Amino acid sequence: GENVEQHPSTLSVQEGDSAVIKCTYSDSASNYFPWYKQELGKRPQLIIDIRSNVGEKKDQRIAVTLNKTAKHFSLHITETQPEDSAVYFCAASAEYGNKLVFGAGTILRVKS
Amino acid sequence: DAGVIQSPRHEVTEMGQEVTLRCKPISGHNSLFWYRQTMMRGLELLIYFNNNVPIDDSGMPEDRFSAKMPNASFSTLKIQPSEPRDSAVYFCASRHPGAGWAYNEQFFGPGTRLTVL
Repeated sequence: GENVEQHPSTLSVQEGDSAVIKCTYSDSASNYFPWYKQELGKRPQLIIDIRSNVGEKKDQRIAVTLNKTAKHFSLHITETQPEDSAVYFCAASAEYGNKLVFGAGTILRVKS
Repeated sequence: DAGVIQSPRHEVTEMGQEVTLRCKPISGHNSLFWYRQTMMRGLELLIYFNNNVPIDDSGMPEDRFSAKMPNASFSTLKIQPSEPRDSAVYFCASRHPGAGWAYNEQFFGPGTRLTVL
């Protein structure tokens, strides 16, 4: 089955700097790659997603890139703000969003 | 829309007791997912339903766990008997039936924090 690895496990950045979180997946059939943000004590919420026929997608300060050949995808957050502090999870699905396999998560701390 | 609703929000029980977690998906969604979140194992998919039918239960840890979806607006996850290692946050999520890529998002409920003593 699918296996998703996520790095780093923790990331501290200064406010205003950029943050990059990377994930790799094992199943070449995976076609959908969402990123979820989970604040402390809250539910995971989708922040951006990308499908397999797109190499990059951007939404304001966040962007995701996908390299199908290398089977890795990354989340980029620019101009980080304290409210970006949370746990970020990548995921992959070979079933158009049904069976999501999540990475272990990255704790992002933005220091002001 | 109220979003995905889960109850109870917190449950504390003793080892050996039966625990039932409940979920009401977003109206009109036809896919429902049960996840378990722990520090050690992260966010794991336990089981998911499409149109009230269980599609994949390969993530259910053992026979002590069972899930049902008797209708489109209600699902339960039952643990009998419960054990301390079942302590976790259990999330329910639902997804719209639309076929396009715009409908891939899973919407999570607030979770149930289960503590088994």
